[in-house]
Amino acid sequence: KAGVTQTPRYLIKTRGQQVTLSCSPISGHRSVSWYQQTPGQGLQFLFEYFSETQRNKGNFPGRFSGRQFSNSRSEMNVSTLELGDSALYLCASSLNRGLRYEQYFGPGTRLTVT
Amino acid sequence: QKEVEQDPGPLSVPEGAIVSLNCTYSNSAFQYFMWYRQYSRKGPELLMYTYSSGNKEDGRFTAQVDKSSKYISLFIRDSQPSDSATYLCAMSDSFGQGTRLTINP
Repeated sequence: KAGVTQTPRYLIKTRGQQVTLSCSPISGHRSVSWYQQTPGQGLQFLFEYFSETQRNKGNFPGRFSGRQFSNSRSEMNVSTLELGDSALYLCASSLNRGLRYEQYFGPGTRLTVT
Repeated sequence: QKEVEQDPGPLSVPEGAIVSLNCTYSNSAFQYFMWYRQYSRKGPELLMYTYSSGNKEDGRFTAQVDKSSKYISLFIRDSQPSDSATYLCAMSDSFGQGTRLTINP
């Protein structure tokens, strides 16, 4: 079965610009979560979507937003980019079957803000 | 104080040793606990998921949760060089900093 895919894999943007990242979950997974990973702050939760609704949100400013489509694919958007937004952005799709929980991460999108 | 505390290491042990990785947390509302393994330049991989105190075993890996002490552990038996990676603990949506582990042949 195909894994979680993220596009693009690498991105260079300038301060003040906006960026949209895409995530395609594993077939059958309806939950998609987004994370930011940096050497200083580690892995931080951004938000989770389930059936096109945001179910949970981390402690990030409103410049970070996301959405999920009816086919479970998800996008996240960062507006007015800052140098500190340079990071690896990871998405994960998950499925909760009662006592069994499965979650798979994509390879990430490496965003560099200059 | 961070919600989840994890010693970043690095930790280096010989092949075949038992590895013990630990995290503490401060929020008693955390309901589920995970351990992830992350190889360099890869996304994390979920190793263990549990929501109750006690032990959970999966092959060479054992996760231990002590809610009364707010302490979780991951034990790796018969460690292999392929286990060399960064291990992250997580409670609900809060992550530890990760411990970099190297298994020496």
